[in-house]
Amino acid sequence: AQKVTQAQTEISVVEKEDVTLDCVYETRDTTYYLFWYKQPPSGELVFLIRRNSFDEQNEISGRYSWNFQKSTSSFNFTITASQVVDSAVYFCALSEGTGTYKYIFGTGTRLKVLA
Amino acid sequence: DVKVTQSSRYLVKRTGEKVFLECVQDMDHENMFWYRQDPGLGLRLIYFSYDVKMKEKGDIPEGYSVSREKKERFSLILESASTNQTSMYLCATMGQGRFYGYTFGSGTRLTVV
Repeated sequence: AQKVTQAQTEISVVEKEDVTLDCVYETRDTTYYLFWYKQPPSGELVFLIRRNSFDEQNEISGRYSWNFQKSTSSFNFTITASQVVDSAVYFCALSEGTGTYKYIFGTGTRLKVLA
Repeated sequence: DVKVTQSSRYLVKRTGEKVFLECVQDMDHENMFWYRQDPGLGLRLIYFSYDVKMKEKGDIPEGYSVSREKKERFSLILESASTNQTSMYLCATMGQGRFYGYTFGSGTRLTVV
């Protein structure tokens, strides 16, 4: 069965600190997709990144970076020099590569960045 | 940009009422989804649809039904609302192919009293 685990329920950091949000997934599929979404206080989930299972290259986008490691079934998200605007709930999600477009979401990590 | 609009941001309904949550998208996306979000449980899939008049049960369909009469509209129906259906309801869409993932609406926070 597919499963996504975000063990960190809530993290608090002080502005400008670096922070890593963990995501561990389980799947029997060889083809799958991983996603990160941000949910600010306004409520709408915002797409951040997609990774397919054949692409283990790490990704950097500004202050955001993602580390995908198939060997440990992890897809971790790092924010460098965090800012107050990064305060949100972050969700990791998994989708199988064929068949349905259903996503399995983790339970989310609430990040609080303090000024 | 794809726009996904959920008709109500906040709703308060009484136990036993029939409740309709509406979701409308302005792109030609085939796939539409209803999730509910609860603290500590993340997002859980209620129903989804691949095409007009087509629906599939998700992981927690009990107590819910859906309707998709037009491609752009996907309605979630609570046949007889109960207090355990108090939650945040999120609609999502996705076109063919998976590249950009879901686009979500801003959610409807439903309270059943």
